[in-house]
Amino acid sequence: AQSVTQLGSHVSVSEGALVLLRCNYSSSVPPYLFWYVQYPNQGLQLLLKYTSAATLVKGINGFEAEFKKSETSFHLTKPSAHMSDAAEYFCAVSDSGGGADGLTFGKGTHLIIQP
Amino acid sequence: DTAVSQTPKYLVTQMGNDKSIKCEQNLGHDTMYWYKQDSKKFLKIMFSYNNKELIINETVPNRFSPKSPDKAHLNLHINSLELGDSAVYFCASSPGWRGEVQYFGPGTRLTVT
Repeated sequence: AQSVTQLGSHVSVSEGALVLLRCNYSSSVPPYLFWYVQYPNQGLQLLLKYTSAATLVKGINGFEAEFKKSETSFHLTKPSAHMSDAAEYFCAVSDSGGGADGLTFGKGTHLIIQP
Repeated sequence: DTAVSQTPKYLVTQMGNDKSIKCEQNLGHDTMYWYKQDSKKFLKIMFSYNNKELIINETVPNRFSPKSPDKAHLNLHINSLELGDSAVYFCASSPGWRGEVQYFGPGTRLTVT
């Protein structure tokens, strides 16, 4: 069974500072990994996806994530936070086995940007 | 052009009622899903549907049933609504099964009183 753990339900950073959102996964087979962002009262929007082509994945809005198999991690970073980055961020996993059981999400991290 | 749309956006109803939420995607995708987001924002898969094959999350009560009139639509029917059904329900679609990016609708906030 696959699972995702996001460390820190709330993360607060100053505008212009580094953003680091942590995600660890558990999967019995090579995983597909995703980061989604949810702005207030909206649906989820894909930030980036890991597909095993490269361990460093670049996404939209200046975000990137690095896949580390040895640490079973897929942390999300952005060099310089912007006020518009304030939102809920979800890490998700889909393993590469057969069938279709949807995405397994972490519990989310609420990112707060301090002016 | 909205890729994945849901109606209604808000739904307020009383316990014991039956209600439906509609979902439509214009992306030409083969697979559709329903997720439930609870008050703590935790997202959980309810159903996956592909070419008439339905996969049900075992924790979903049988009061919930998805119905797909065609490949572009996956509606969610809920019978005998309970207070605990209050949540935001998201529809999503993807080109195929595993590993594909899922595109989410805007959500339907269901409040049961």
